[in-house]
Amino acid sequence: GESVGLHLPTLSVQEGDNSIINCAYSNSASDYFIWYKQESGKGPQFIIDIRSNMDKRQGQRVTVLLNKTVKHLSLQIAATQPGDSAVYFCAEKPRYNFNKFYFGSGTKLNVKP
Amino acid sequence: ETGVTQTPRHLVMGMTNKKSLKCEQHLGHNAMYWYKQSAKKPLELMFVYNFKEQTENNSVPSRFSPECPNSSHLFLHLHTLQPEDSALYLCASSQATANTEAFFGQGTRLTVV
Repeated sequence: GESVGLHLPTLSVQEGDNSIINCAYSNSASDYFIWYKQESGKGPQFIIDIRSNMDKRQGQRVTVLLNKTVKHLSLQIAATQPGDSAVYFCAEKPRYNFNKFYFGSGTKLNVKP
Repeated sequence: ETGVTQTPRHLVMGMTNKKSLKCEQHLGHNAMYWYKQSAKKPLELMFVYNFKEQTENNSVPSRFSPECPNSSHLFLHLHTLQPEDSALYLCASSQATANTEAFFGQGTRLTVV
């Protein structure tokens, strides 16, 4: 994505394998946690969200897990495809201000054919 | 195609120039946002507009001046920028500010020389 130049952590996986992308957060007052994907030359794209009162949510080929005890969020992608290659950002939406999104620094996912 | 269009895609400007970035959405969304994405920082929220009214200014220097003439259009007027303002400027929209799903444009790559 356009975030090239950042020293992003990189995850390389083989096509067809499952991917797990992790994110640590610090704000306990967040109401929602969200995953976005940014492909090269494009803006971020919404993948899935999870409300803070949930532990797990599933979408199409994706699962988000929320562990509030250790303030950890993960995105699991099943049967990773080359089209999944992108930078993945976690984001928080605080309870006290719905105007705000706080984005993490991102993880680059490389899918090897 | 996300439904959010930004122009221009690329812009080079001198520090004494005045230029404007344009964003347009015809998704019927009521909230619009400006973000800055630079090589060294996570995605930063700059401004939020809700029903054409500015609801958030995230301590952005006055050399950046937003304008929202209607719910479909958002501008970012640039004046006397610094080289460190070089970045990708992303516009986004959402149905409401409380929504977790925002639709991003492809961004304007700005270089200040």
